[in-house]
Amino acid sequence: DTAVSQTPKYLVTQMGNDKSIKCEQNLGHDTMYWYKQDSKKFLKIMFSYNNKELIINETVPNRFSPKSPDKAHLNLHINSLELGDSAVYFCASSQDGVRERAFFGQGTRLTVV
Amino acid sequence: DAKTTQPPSMDCAEGRAANLPCNHSTISGNEYVYWYRQIHSQGPQYIIHGLKNNETNEMASLIITEDRKSSTLILPHATLRDTAVYYCIVRLSHSGSARQLTFGSGTQLTVLP
Repeated sequence: DTAVSQTPKYLVTQMGNDKSIKCEQNLGHDTMYWYKQDSKKFLKIMFSYNNKELIINETVPNRFSPKSPDKAHLNLHINSLELGDSAVYFCASSQDGVRERAFFGQGTRLTVV
Repeated sequence: DAKTTQPPSMDCAEGRAANLPCNHSTISGNEYVYWYRQIHSQGPQYIIHGLKNNETNEMASLIITEDRKSSTLILPHATLRDTAVYYCIVRLSHSGSARQLTFGSGTQLTVLP
């Protein structure tokens, strides 16, 4: 079973559209994250959720909104898509503790045309 | 979190040990050293982490200098599948508002046949 799964894997859409990327983890972790990897391959944190509370919100446009229906899911909603939103988006999860490590999904490649 | 410095790229012959250095001269006493890697088109993957002592697991060994200002990740017998970008990250483990990983530019390791 895949620990952290994202859907869709690829997403091509037009400017101005609204889209969502789904993420699910079956590890029982209490913190989930969204990262963005741009064309220069830099990985940047966007959001993290811990026990259904947003604990980090980096300087991302408010067109991006994370939604967590339950502890195992953290979906990313994007409104009014722009060309610059094209990137690979990674979901991740982790469990607090001494041996904490993050597990990442396989990524969603978003292309805005 | 302390900043890290890594060489942008390294080559290693297949079957030989790959030694990836990382400088973290501003690390504080309660910050851990984490290593992740990202194989092309995949999500980042945890490798190992440590605080003061050297660590070894099934994937790699982590050597941390006595002053903790630098570390080396060792892949004992590199294979072609180890070709990836390797990230050295220094952070507080399970710190309340800073659970996220801050990725730098990493080292592109290329294992040559």
